[in-house]
Amino acid sequence: EVQLVQSGAEVKKPGESLRISCQASGYTFTSYWISWVRQMPGKGLEWLGRIDPNESDVKYSPSFQGHVTISHDKSISTAYLQWSSLKASDTAMYFCARIDSSGFDFYAFDMWGQGTMVTVSS
Amino acid sequence: DIQLTQSPSSLSASVGDSVTITCRASQGINRYLNWYQQKSGKAPHLLVCGANSLQSGVPSRFSGSGSGTDFTLTISSLQPEDFATYYCQQTFTTPRTFGQGTKVEIK
Repeated sequence: EVQLVQSGAEVKKPGESLRISCQASGYTFTSYWISWVRQMPGKGLEWLGRIDPNESDVKYSPSFQGHVTISHDKSISTAYLQWSSLKASDTAMYFCARIDSSGFDFYAFDMWGQGTMVTVSS
Repeated sequence: DIQLTQSPSSLSASVGDSVTITCRASQGINRYLNWYQQKSGKAPHLLVCGANSLQSGVPSRFSGSGSGTDFTLTISSLQPEDFATYYCQQTFTTPRTFGQGTKVEIK
């Protein structure tokens, strides 16, 4: 079964660091990009960036560049999203999603993780 | 960045109704327009890619159309499980962007 399983909910204080994960199974990890998407409470979807696990190439949204880091570990088919210094405004649900890098599906996000809720509060 | 404007932002409809959601892009995006359904507390789910290609397993009452800047998602006969929020997304260029969402509620 193809699935993306994300790490559990986190509660952090402002200024703390955090790394959340997205583990893929059921398909060849390096054949698909992984994107990260933010959804703040009661709001819409925002794209943070994506990683190509085959090329180790990362693209960020200008809105998030410099504030988050996207990485991966091919050996365990896992992508990561990390912050070095969290802010209260980072409180949100974060989703990972898979994209067929061939473009056959117009780079649509065809499989999503279940989401990781990050709460940043003093 | 390419802006996507969905209309309406919300709508009320009854089971069996036909509903149409529109998505307008701030510049031409060919057919690089996808539609997602999101139910409360859940991850989004891909319905349509490439403006009009229905994903495997998605009921045929869903259909997408359009090209360039104007796109539509139609649900031909609304079912109870269709009450959700729908988002369009462009994958023509980075940064990928989403519409603001259309919430479909029960009348």
